[in-house]
Amino acid sequence: QTVVTQEPSFSVSPGGTVTLTCGLSSGSVSTSYYPSWYQQTPGQAPRPLIHNTNTRSSGVPDRFSGSILGNKAALTITGAQADDESDYYCVLYMGSGISVFGGGTKLTVL
Amino acid sequence: EVQLVQSGAEVKKPGESLKISCKASGYTFTTYWIAWVRQLPGKGLEWMGIFYPGDSDTRYSPSFQGQVTISADNSINTAYLQWSSLKASDTALYYCARALYYDTSPLDYWGQGTLVTVSS
Repeated sequence: QTVVTQEPSFSVSPGGTVTLTCGLSSGSVSTSYYPSWYQQTPGQAPRPLIHNTNTRSSGVPDRFSGSILGNKAALTITGAQADDESDYYCVLYMGSGISVFGGGTKLTVL
Repeated sequence: EVQLVQSGAEVKKPGESLKISCKASGYTFTTYWIAWVRQLPGKGLEWMGIFYPGDSDTRYSPSFQGQVTISADNSINTAYLQWSSLKASDTALYYCARALYYDTSPLDYWGQGTLVTVSS
C-alpha cells in the first residue's frame, strides 16, 4: 500500500518562512492527487487550509500557500506566527473515492 | 450554520458492537459526502471511508474495509460508523467531516469527535 510521507517535525522562527512537504513512498505527487492540507491543534478537530493543491479554504490567511515542488506537494507558511504551532497533515486522493492522510508534521515556532 | 454533532464517548468491551453517530444540520444532508477519520491516541489522522447519503455510495480505505460499516439515516440527517465486534486496537478518537466531492473538495466542516475506548 502506498504511504504518504511527511516530515515528522519542523521548526521555524517567528516571522520566518517554512515549507512542509508531502510525498509518496513510491512515485511523484502531481495535481492529479488533489493534495490538501489540514491544521490540527491539541484537543481540536482538524481545520482545512488548502485543497486542490493551492486553493485556500475560507478564512485562511494568504500567508498559507500550497504548491507542487519537484515530486511532492508543499505547504508554505510565510511570516510564521506563534499560533501556527500545530500539527499539519496532507491528504492525497488515490482514486476510486479513496484518500490517504500523511503521517503529519509537528511544527514548532520558536 | 453548518454543524456536525457527534455522539458522546463510549466505553466498550472487546467483542461488543457499537454504532456512533454524526448529526448534520445547516445544509442539505443528501448533497455532501460524509467521511470518517480515525485518530489513535497520540497519533495522526487516518482516512477510514466516505459515504454519500444521496445514493448510499460508500468507499472504504483498504485498511478499514470489512472492519467497519458506514451508513446514514436521511430522515434524521445522521451518519453512522459501526463495528460488529470491537477490538482493543479500535480505541481512538473518531471524527466525521463533510465534503462536497470526494476528490477535489476539502473536508470543510468537522464534528467534535467521539472517543471510543475498548477495554476488558
